[in-house]
Amino acid sequence: EVQLVESGGGLAQPGGSLTLSCAASGFSFNNYEMNWVRQAPGKGLEWVSYISGTGDTIYYTDSVKGRFTVSRDNAKDSLFLQMTSLSAEDTAVYYCARGFLIRGVTYDFFDCWGQGILVSVSS
Amino acid sequence: AIRMTQSPSSLSASIGDRVTITCRASQGISSYLAWYQQKPGKAPKFLIFAASTLQGGVPSRFSGSGSGTDFTLTISHLQSEDFATYYCQQYYSYPLTFGGGTKVDI
Repeated sequence: EVQLVESGGGLAQPGGSLTLSCAASGFSFNNYEMNWVRQAPGKGLEWVSYISGTGDTIYYTDSVKGRFTVSRDNAKDSLFLQMTSLSAEDTAVYYCARGFLIRGVTYDFFDCWGQGILVSVSS
Repeated sequence: AIRMTQSPSSLSASIGDRVTITCRASQGISSYLAWYQQKPGKAPKFLIFAASTLQGGVPSRFSGSGSGTDFTLTISHLQSEDFATYYCQQYYSYPLTFGGGTKVDI
C-alpha cells in the first residue's frame, strides 16, 4: 500500500524554524517527484515546493523562496522541508504529495497525499 | 503565475442532483488540469487529470471537460459521499496553482 506519513510539525515562534519529514512506503520512492502543499486554516490549497526524483531540480512558490529548503533522502525513502524565518502566514497543515507517474512520464499533479501535519506559528 | 478561478465558491444540492463546477485559468493551459475532492479534516483525493481522464476507482458519475482556459467538473446523480470541497489545479507551468475551491453541501 502506498503511504506517506508526515512528522515534525508543531508550534513555532515567529522567526523560528521547523523541519518537516515525510516517510514514504509502498512504492519506489526514487522514481517519483515529490511536493509539499499546504492549507491554511479554513483556506484553500497552496503548492509550496517541488523536488525531482534525483533531487536535482527544485522549485518553490515565491512566498517561501529563501526561507524553505526541500530535500530528499532516497536511501531512506524520505522527503524533508526545512522551514526558517517562520511567520504567522506559514501557519497551515502541510501535506507531502506524490507526483503522478505513468509509463515513465511524470506529471505535476498529485495522486497520493499524506495525512497532513499542522504547523502553527505564534508567540 | 497562472490564476485559477472556481465558481461557484459554494453550492447547495440534493441527493440525485446534477452538479457542475467551473474552473477558469487566467491563460491557456491546454488540458493540464486536475481535480481533487477534499472532505473536512482529510487530505485531498485525486479525481481527474488531463481535464477529463478519471483516476482509477473514481465513480463514473464524475466527469471533467474543457481545454484552454475553461473547464468543468460534473457530478451526475450526486451521492451522500460526494458532499465535499472540490479543487482544480493547473500543472501547465510553475508555480502550480489551485482554484479557491467549491464547497458542495446539502
